[in-house]
Amino acid sequence: GQQLNQSPQSMFIQEGEDVSMNCTSSSIFNTWLWYKQDPGEGPVLLIALYKAGELTSNGRLTAQFGITRKDSFLNISASIPSDVGIYFCATTKGANAGKSTFGDGTTLTVKP
Amino acid sequence: GAVVSQHPSWVICKSGTSVKIECRSLDFQATTMFWYRQFPKQSLMLMATSNEGSKATYEQGVEKDKFLINHASLTLSTLTVTSAHPEDSSFYICSAPGTTSYEQYFGPGTRLTVT
Repeated sequence: GQQLNQSPQSMFIQEGEDVSMNCTSSSIFNTWLWYKQDPGEGPVLLIALYKAGELTSNGRLTAQFGITRKDSFLNISASIPSDVGIYFCATTKGANAGKSTFGDGTTLTVKP
Repeated sequence: GAVVSQHPSWVICKSGTSVKIECRSLDFQATTMFWYRQFPKQSLMLMATSNEGSKATYEQGVEKDKFLINHASLTLSTLTVTSAHPEDSSFYICSAPGTTSYEQYFGPGTRLTVT
């Protein structure tokens, strides 16, 4: 099936630092979605990207849909302790949310 | 808006017993819901698509007789883990499609531990 390569697997940063993570695949996708999962909770959608080249921001978060449609990155600026969690990229090929494929996640730890 | 709840949030059961997990859309109707399982430090794996008023669609490798899904109303889907075994211990998460067909609203998850 479709496979997403998400990196890095984990990050340990100091509060105030910027963070960058990305997802790549050998397949072309119609959408890229970024979710955050807090411990013991379900994922929450952060940013949705629908067009190649699209750059979208949500507060301190910025994500881009790669031109090749095979990759995406998520940046977090000026990290704060509540940014701690697992960040997942996800994609779909068709217009069916249930057919989303999730990356393995990037675990972010922010030291105050 | 678009809140999805799950009950229970955690459950411990003995091997061989069955456990039912509920997934509710609180402020919207969902003709479709999705069930995922997530092992520690791993990603979400889609188990099945729950369809209101019809049979669920299971992903390859998921035993439909073991993971019974019922979507009896537009706001409730249930997942029953039958004859649970320790290897069924996992975090089970449901979701419903969002305002666009690509997005999903996830429930808070149910932690199942089978002893």
